[in-house]
Amino acid sequence: KAGVTQTPRYLIKTRGQQVTLSCSPISGHRSVSWYQQTPGQGLQFLFEYFSETQRNKGNFPGRFSGRQFSNSRSEMNVSTLELGDSALYLCASRPDRGRNEQFFGPGTRLTVL
Amino acid sequence: AQSVTQLGSHVSVSEGALVLLRCNYSSSVPPYLFWYVQYPNQGLQLLLKYTTGATLVKGINGFEAEFKKSETSFHLTKPSAHMSDAAEYFCAVSGASGGSYIPTFGRGTSLIVHP
Repeated sequence: KAGVTQTPRYLIKTRGQQVTLSCSPISGHRSVSWYQQTPGQGLQFLFEYFSETQRNKGNFPGRFSGRQFSNSRSEMNVSTLELGDSALYLCASRPDRGRNEQFFGPGTRLTVL
Repeated sequence: AQSVTQLGSHVSVSEGALVLLRCNYSSSVPPYLFWYVQYPNQGLQLLLKYTTGATLVKGINGFEAEFKKSETSFHLTKPSAHMSDAAEYFCAVSGASGGSYIPTFGRGTSLIVHP
């Protein structure tokens, strides 16, 4: 099976712009989670989608949003970018919402100038 | 509620030496525990996991971890470090949140291997 794919791999934006990141989970996986990784804060949970519905949300402002499509592919959007949004954004998928491990994509490196 | 503490943000060993990365957790339910490895500019890759049963878990690349309930620990070890083991290692615990088991990750430990 193909792994989790994320596009684009690298992105440079300026403050105030918005950005959309894409994630394709492993075939058959219905749960998709997003994480923000920074040197200062480590790995922080953004949100989880399952069956096109947001099931859990981390402690991030409303500028961070996401959605999931019927084929389980997911997108996350960040509006009004701030310098502090510069991070590696990781997508992870798993078959369902159980206690199994997550499978991570390579991430999208977002730099906000 | 659940949490993970990884002791030591950096661990330095010589090639061929024992690797020991420490992880302590707290969980309100019997925990599922995971160790992941992350190489530069890559995502996280699962090394091993503990669910139930045998407390000594073997993973990929010669790593293993032991679940000790009394100590709430899940330390990662490898008998002999290799240069290719240099990476960031994350411990995670899976508990319940709103009907979904979202894992909580530790801050990570950077393993440095000297020749």
